[in-house]
Amino acid sequence: EAGVVQSPRYKIIEKKQPVAFWCNPISGHNTLYWYRQNLGQGPELLIRYENEEAVDDSQLPKDRFSAERLKGVDSTLKIQPAELGDSAVYLCASSKGQDGYTFGSGTRLTVV
Amino acid sequence: DAKTTQPTSMDCAEGRAANLPCNHSTISGNEYVYWYRQIHSQGPQYIIHGLKNNETNEMASLIITEDRKSSTLILPHATLRDTAVYYCIVRVAPNPGNQFYFGTGTSLTVIP
Repeated sequence: EAGVVQSPRYKIIEKKQPVAFWCNPISGHNTLYWYRQNLGQGPELLIRYENEEAVDDSQLPKDRFSAERLKGVDSTLKIQPAELGDSAVYLCASSKGQDGYTFGSGTRLTVV
Repeated sequence: DAKTTQPTSMDCAEGRAANLPCNHSTISGNEYVYWYRQIHSQGPQYIIHGLKNNETNEMASLIITEDRKSSTLILPHATLRDTAVYYCIVRVAPNPGNQFYFGTGTSLTVIP
């Protein structure tokens, strides 16, 4: 089993530029999560999908962040435009209902 | 979900048992204790969880006090690869929002 796959692993961009992260969850996992982890802190949930529906996006900064999960499998998280404070690790996780909760290795974003 | 308190950092000699404490004095009767760890540049990894009985698996043992206000994660023979941040999380299971609230965790360093 490949686990949760994220790309890219690292991304450096200038402020005001757009950036996108991609996540491929474990096969058969209907629930997908995006978390953000600031330096020295634990991960915090941004959005949760059940299949293709975003069922909890209350913590997603909607002015500049967007996400989609077309066909209920892969997902992308986008930031446009990026700000210096968006520098963090963006983690994707997936689960099959309440079971098998697994995190990917994350994308480390640096905004300069 | 109940708040947890963990020491910021700990050291442990290689080959010795690592005992990581966690206080959760406001835990409710239906909340489980979960432990995750995060090795540098990786996503959080599930270790173990329990409700009130002690639990053991191939990775670790979880000891929960009788009043459930604290617990200890035990790594019986720590290796250098156990150097990581360890998160203690309490939450209801099944969990309606199915997210994990991570604190800042304990940074464990295993010393050769």
